Amino acid sequence: GESVGLHLPTLSVQEGDNSIINCAYSNSASDYFIWYKQESGKGPQFIIDIRSNMDKRQGQRVTVLLNKTVKHLSLQIAATQPGDSAVYFCAETLTVGTSYGKLTFGQGTILTVHP
Amino acid sequence: DAGITQSPRHKVTETGTPVTLRCHQTENHRYMYWYRQDPGHGLRLIHYSYGVKDTDKGEVSDGYSVSRSKTEDFLLTLESATSSQTSVYFCAISLGTAIGEQYFGPGTRLTVT
Repeated sequence: GESVGLHLPTLSVQEGDNSIINCAYSNSASDYFIWYKQESGKGPQFIIDIRSNMDKRQGQRVTVLLNKTVKHLSLQIAATQPGDSAVYFCAETLTVGTSYGKLTFGQGTILTVHP
Repeated sequence: DAGITQSPRHKVTETGTPVTLRCHQTENHRYMYWYRQDPGHGLRLIHYSYGVKDTDKGEVSDGYSVSRSKTEDFLLTLESATSSQTSVYFCAISLGTAIGEQYFGPGTRLTVT
């Protein structure tokens, strides 16, 4: 609904620029992190993941960086395109114990790409 | 869309009535999840299932129950709907190879009046 935009961080970029979306995660015990993209009216779509034994992972036009010291995750999108306009969510979970597979999502960041 | 369908896609119901949402998958994946999405809260896990008749609670399970009698169907029931349960509900499946790599259905928009 329209109230979403009042609460979410926003990032506005020009087509062709690189975008950096940041996320502070909450649980220092989390060992697996994921980025999702959600376009208007659709369910979230998996983008890329990273385990806590890595600092960086690259995909197609996307890179995820993990800084466990400060519990920070970032998603870098190269050569941003209008089709990248969406809400981006980070998520965290543990790969062991009773929380295995239970994702905790951040609130999201709205990315708007201008032609 | 990994063969995930949700029904109904939209529903308006009155406070106090029971409501059941259905999630159907066609590829026999073991793990299935129900989330709700509200402005300012992102997605929150309600319940999940790791096999037929095997379910567990998520972050916001109060007021909800689930059942999974067949691999392909995961049902979410609001026993007595309240206005606070007005939300968009998403079902998801995990392929099992990477637990965080979940595939989401199209969502059900539920309004409780």
